[in-house]
Amino acid sequence: GENVEQHPSTLSVQEGDSAVIKCTYSDSASNYFPWYKQELGKRPQLIIDIRSNVGEKKDQRIAVTLNKTAKHFSLHITETQPEDSAVYFCAARSYGTGKLIFGQGTTLQVKP
Amino acid sequence: EAGVAQSPRYKIIEKRQSVAFWCNPISGHATLYWYQQILGQGPKLLIQFQNNGVVDDSQLPKDRFSAERLKGVDSTLKIQPAKLEDSAVYLCASSPSMEFGYGYTFGSGTRLTVV
Repeated sequence: GENVEQHPSTLSVQEGDSAVIKCTYSDSASNYFPWYKQELGKRPQLIIDIRSNVGEKKDQRIAVTLNKTAKHFSLHITETQPEDSAVYFCAARSYGTGKLIFGQGTTLQVKP
Repeated sequence: EAGVAQSPRYKIIEKRQSVAFWCNPISGHATLYWYQQILGQGPKLLIQFQNNGVVDDSQLPKDRFSAERLKGVDSTLKIQPAKLEDSAVYLCASSPSMEFGYGYTFGSGTRLTVV
């Protein structure tokens, strides 16, 4: 079935360092890949997304890359700040129904 | 624009009791999703509606869970009878259409504790 694998499950970095979270999807027909940030006790919030016809997208300190051949996409956060600490989820959109399949989440801790 | 509204925010029930959650999506959003998020895990889709029709309910435990979206707007998710393993946050999300690659907008969720 459709599946999204996300790594690492936890990531701890020093403030100012970069953080990278990686995801692999199984459905080769997936065409849309959003990333969500979820703070403790709050709803997931969309932070960046990429469509299958684009290889890279950047928004200030956040970037996402997509390798369709390898069915792999990654989130890059540069110059991390303590407020970046949260759980991050990747997702892949099922082409048929449009539903999002989520990864297991990465808990990012940015130490001041 | 107003966000996705969910109620209640919290609910504590005993096992074998029943419970219902309500969701009102963003106005004009045709697609509505119910997700279950168990602590420490990613959201798992329970059911997807397009207007008032079910698109995908393959992971809905139909012996105890039911959902409806009668007029194609708001939706209700019910659990009867509840089990301890149903303790989770139930997230409702909506998007303009399942044909477009829009990210969802999530509601604040309902945190269910079954004791």
